[in-house]
Amino acid sequence: QSALTQPASVSGSPGQSITISCTGTSSDVGGYKYVSWYQQHPGKAPKLTIYDVSNRPSGVSNRFSGSKSGNTASLTISGLQAEDEADYYCGSYTSSSTPYVFGTGTKVTVL
Amino acid sequence: QVQLVDSGGGVVQPGRSLRLSCAASGFTFSTYSMHWVRQAPGKGLEWVAVISSDGNHDYYADSVKGRFTISRDNSKNTVYLQMNSLRAEDTAVYYCARETRDHETLWAFDYWGQGTLVTVSS
Repeated sequence: QSALTQPASVSGSPGQSITISCTGTSSDVGGYKYVSWYQQHPGKAPKLTIYDVSNRPSGVSNRFSGSKSGNTASLTISGLQAEDEADYYCGSYTSSSTPYVFGTGTKVTVL
Repeated sequence: QVQLVDSGGGVVQPGRSLRLSCAASGFTFSTYSMHWVRQAPGKGLEWVAVISSDGNHDYYADSVKGRFTISRDNSKNTVYLQMNSLRAEDTAVYYCARETRDHETLWAFDYWGQGTLVTVSS
C-alpha cells in the first residue's frame, strides 16, 4: 500500500486561506468516510484536526475544515495564523492488506 | 485528563527483540481500540498496528506482519507492542494512540503518547 499523495509544501500569509490536498484511490480515500487529518509541530506528537472527512474534534479551531471529492480529500485552513505553521498528514482506512495509510505529509509555512 | 505514556524504547541490535508499553489513564481504557504509529527520523507517519477494545482482534501493517505483536492488559490499562526480528528500517519514534470513539473504530486517533525512540543498530 503506497502512501497517500500530498504536496510537499504549502505557504500563505497571515489571514489568508490555504488548502492541502490528499490524493488516493477508490480503495482508500474515495471508498470510505474514514479520512482524517493531523497537525504535527516539530518534536511533538501529532494532533487530530479532522476525522470522518469533515468532523472537527472538540477544541479544534473552526478555521480548520475538511472535505472530499472523489479520490481526493482536502484540508482548508482559513485565517492563517503563525501557530498553524506545522506538518500536516492525512490518513485513510484502506481495503488493502495494510488497513490504514498516512499521506506523505505537507509542510505549511506562514510567510 | 486522558494521558498515554509510552516507554520501552532504546538501542537494540538487528535481529533482536524489544517490547514497548503504553500506560493509559483518564478514560475507560477497556472500551477503546488502541493503535501504534511510528515515525522514522525526519520522515512521515506510518501506521503499525491496532487492537480491539477486548483484545480479540488485531491488524498489522504489511511491513511488520509476522514480526510485531500488539496486545493489551485491560486490568493494567496498558497496551504493548512486542517487536521481534528487528531491522534497521524499524528505527523510529513509536507512538501509541487512542481510537477517537469508544466501542467503534473510526480509524482516527485523538490522543497520542509522547513517543519512545527505538534505534536498531549494530
